[in-house]
Amino acid sequence: ETGVTQTPRHLVMGMTNKKSLKCEQHLGHNAMYWYKQSAKKPLELMFVYSLEERVENNSVPSRFSPECPNSSHLFLHLHTLQPEDSALYLCASSRSTGQLQETQYFGPGTRLLVL
Amino acid sequence: KQEVTQIPAALSVPEGENLVLNCSFTDSAIYNLQWFRQDPGKGLTSLLLIQSSQREQTSGRLNASLDKSSGRSTLYIAASQPGDSATYLCAVRLNTGFQKLVFGTGTRLLVSP
Repeated sequence: ETGVTQTPRHLVMGMTNKKSLKCEQHLGHNAMYWYKQSAKKPLELMFVYSLEERVENNSVPSRFSPECPNSSHLFLHLHTLQPEDSALYLCASSRSTGQLQETQYFGPGTRLLVL
Repeated sequence: KQEVTQIPAALSVPEGENLVLNCSFTDSAIYNLQWFRQDPGKGLTSLLLIQSSQREQTSGRLNASLDKSSGRSTLYIAASQPGDSATYLCAVRLNTGFQKLVFGTGTRLLVSP
């Protein structure tokens, strides 16, 4: 158990649907991350929140909308997605990004299929 | 732009073999390098972290080396076991800007009994 949980674990949605991915960390960390892992591509950093403020938006389309209501929870709201958005979405957490040596702890991911 | 490459993309070996996974990166301005393991349907687990000033790190049967000047790292697995079957990811932490992790595409390892 990594201390980072994600729900749902699997999600199938149509291009007109609206859904949300949830991440929760029980490690007392104050930085949280969303990554996208597509087939045969490296993990791509999408968003970073530090102390509940977004500090990194890696040129992600607006159909992905993150939300960090507190340091333990992170959401990724999805709407009007495209089939190429199908991927494994991984959440991670760490201590403050001001400390260079912090290790990121990953959740199990949400496998998303967009039809 | 930092790019991380891992070779081979897939590897299949019989149990007991010693094996080497390779990672190369294009920009030597890194803060550290990390090796992760990813099991199917699961997240990433950190295996070893090497600071840019270090040459190697060891944990049990795993040994990771770093040659920053040539942009290379290797992960050595001794006496491989079926439980080692997983995808192994290499990631470098940038030394500039936000210091984010840049990942390779991974090596998928299968160790047969």
